[in-house]
Amino acid sequence: KQEVTQIPAALSVPEGENLVLNCSFTDSAIYNLQWFRQDPGKGLTSLLLIQSSQREQTSGRLNASLDKSSGRSTLYIAASQPGDSATYLCAVRTSGTYKYIFGTGTRLKVLA
Amino acid sequence: DVKVTQSSRYLVKRTGEKVFLECVQDMDHENMFWYRQDPGLGLRLIYFSYDVKMKEKGDIPEGYSVSREKKERFSLILESASTNQTSMYLCASSLGHGYTFGSGTRLTVV
Repeated sequence: KQEVTQIPAALSVPEGENLVLNCSFTDSAIYNLQWFRQDPGKGLTSLLLIQSSQREQTSGRLNASLDKSSGRSTLYIAASQPGDSATYLCAVRTSGTYKYIFGTGTRLKVLA
Repeated sequence: DVKVTQSSRYLVKRTGEKVFLECVQDMDHENMFWYRQDPGLGLRLIYFSYDVKMKEKGDIPEGYSVSREKKERFSLILESASTNQTSMYLCASSLGHGYTFGSGTRLTVV
């Protein structure tokens, strides 16, 4: 059974720092992996989707990497801003299934 | 952009009521999902549907049912609402490459 873990659970950094959020999964037979952002009381916004054949994806200041063999993905945020404050969720879709399994998220606070 | 619309942002219902949560997507996606999100428990899958009139139980289907009569609409039904169903409910749709979520419905059962 696929399990997804995100570390750390919470992170507080000063504005301008580069930071890394971690996601690990137990079953390496994945179809793809998706990173989401969630603001308090709101739905989830998709940030990046990495297919199992890819090693990384980039969008603006965000870069997500995937290492299937070690069961890990990282989300790199460059030059963090207060507007990046949110909860970041990692979700993994295992091969042969329709559904995603979610981690419990990393709550990020960027201080001005 | 795909849009997933949940009909209500906030709902307050009484114990024992039958509750309908509606979700509509506008991009002809085959797959639709209902999750609930609770502090400390993360997102848990209630039901999903991979085609019209097709449905499968997720991890926590007890106390819920679903309906998918048309491709664009996926309804979650709480047959007899209970206080432990107070939660944030999130609908998502997918064509196979990632989810698009709605903005969520915060349901309070009193």
